[in-house]
Amino acid sequence: EAGVAQSPRYKIIEKRQSVAFWCNPISGHATLYWYQQILGQGPKLLIQFQNNGVVDDSQLPKDRFSAERLKGVDSTLKIQPAKLEDSAVYLCASSRNTGSSREQYFGPGTRLTVT
Amino acid sequence: QQQVKQSPQSLIVQKGGISIINCAYENTAFDYFPWYQQFPGKGPALLIAIRPDVSEKKEGRFTISFNKSAKQFSLHIMDSQPGDSATYFCAASIGGSNYKLTFGKGTLLTVNP
Repeated sequence: EAGVAQSPRYKIIEKRQSVAFWCNPISGHATLYWYQQILGQGPKLLIQFQNNGVVDDSQLPKDRFSAERLKGVDSTLKIQPAKLEDSAVYLCASSRNTGSSREQYFGPGTRLTVT
Repeated sequence: QQQVKQSPQSLIVQKGGISIINCAYENTAFDYFPWYQQFPGKGPALLIAIRPDVSEKKEGRFTISFNKSAKQFSLHIMDSQPGDSATYFCAASIGGSNYKLTFGKGTLLTVNP
């Protein structure tokens, strides 16, 4: 079974620029998550999709962050404009989320550096 | 507000020793408690998970101990190996909702040979 794919793996941008990250979840996983992991901290959920609908975006800074999941498969996360404090690893995860299976499978992440 | 508190922040253990990482939670609605292992440059990977209806779960060298009344759970790594050197995160989620994970801040484990 192929894992969660993310690209790019690394990105360096200047503040006020825009950036987009892409995620391809494990086939058949209806739930997709985007997490932000700041250095030295645990992942923090930004947004959760169930198929192509948003379940939870309560911690997404909506003035600059946006995400979409077209056709309930791939997803993109965009930051525009970026701030210095957005420097972090952006992790995508997917899950079946049935009653007996709640494991989230994480991709390798995209390391974003904002200068 | 941090709902899952993890300690210690870092831990150094000798090869063959026991590594113990502790977590405490506040929300009694949590009903799923996984531990994730993360190596540098990789995403977190599920190590072991427990539900509150059992007090202990063991998988190989890894054991979760769960104390529902104290709202605490811990990860024990027996016979620690240099290959276990990684960052470990405890987490918790609520079933019947969106299953989102709330993570602790992580513990950097170093196992010296």
